[in-house]
Amino acid sequence: GAGVSQTPSNKVTEKGKYVELRCDPISGHTALYWYRQSLGQGPEFLIYFQGTGAADDSGLPNDRFFAVRPEGSVSTLKIQRTERGDSAVYLCASSSGTGQYNEQFFGPGTRLTVL
Amino acid sequence: GQNIDQPTEMTATEGAIVQINCTYQTSGFNGLFWYQQHAGEAPTFLSYNVLDGLEEKGRFSSFLSRSKGYSYLLLKELQMKDSASYLCAVRSGGYQKVTFGTGTKLQVIP
Repeated sequence: GAGVSQTPSNKVTEKGKYVELRCDPISGHTALYWYRQSLGQGPEFLIYFQGTGAADDSGLPNDRFFAVRPEGSVSTLKIQRTERGDSAVYLCASSSGTGQYNEQFFGPGTRLTVL
Repeated sequence: GQNIDQPTEMTATEGAIVQINCTYQTSGFNGLFWYQQHAGEAPTFLSYNVLDGLEEKGRFSSFLSRSKGYSYLLLKELQMKDSASYLCAVRSGGYQKVTFGTGTKLQVIP
């Protein structure tokens, strides 16, 4: 079956611009996570959705970052007034909320470069 | 908050056994995961522990001690394709937040 998909795969933008990153989770998965990963580091937690609501957004670095999941499926991570420090790979993961492990399935990521 | 520690890098020889350790401090512990991540790719699930003890899956085993806040991933009969980063991740809290460590980059040499 289809896995987690993310678009775009690469995004190059200029400092100060607005960007949107999209995540399409595995169908039926209730939990959705956004992470940011810099080179040589582990994924850094940003936000976690359970259904439509953000259950934990404690990882969002500041108010320039916002994420939505209006229908409990697709999610969009929005970054306003981008800065060079926002450059990273943004990973999305989903999990079913059930099953023996309830492990996360990751998408391929969006590589964001802010010039 | 949460604190997850694992070694930054390790090197091991093809055919050998390697143990990657992870220590954590968290409230509301609800399970520990190990993921494998090859360079430029997304993490993929390897193992899960929620109770104390050893879980074995083929060449990979994972151990957990909740009282010590300690886990390890054991890789046997190392192959060159096992060269990757190995991420320890802890699930905690009522809403099941999952937090990752910085990862251990394993290099397998001939």
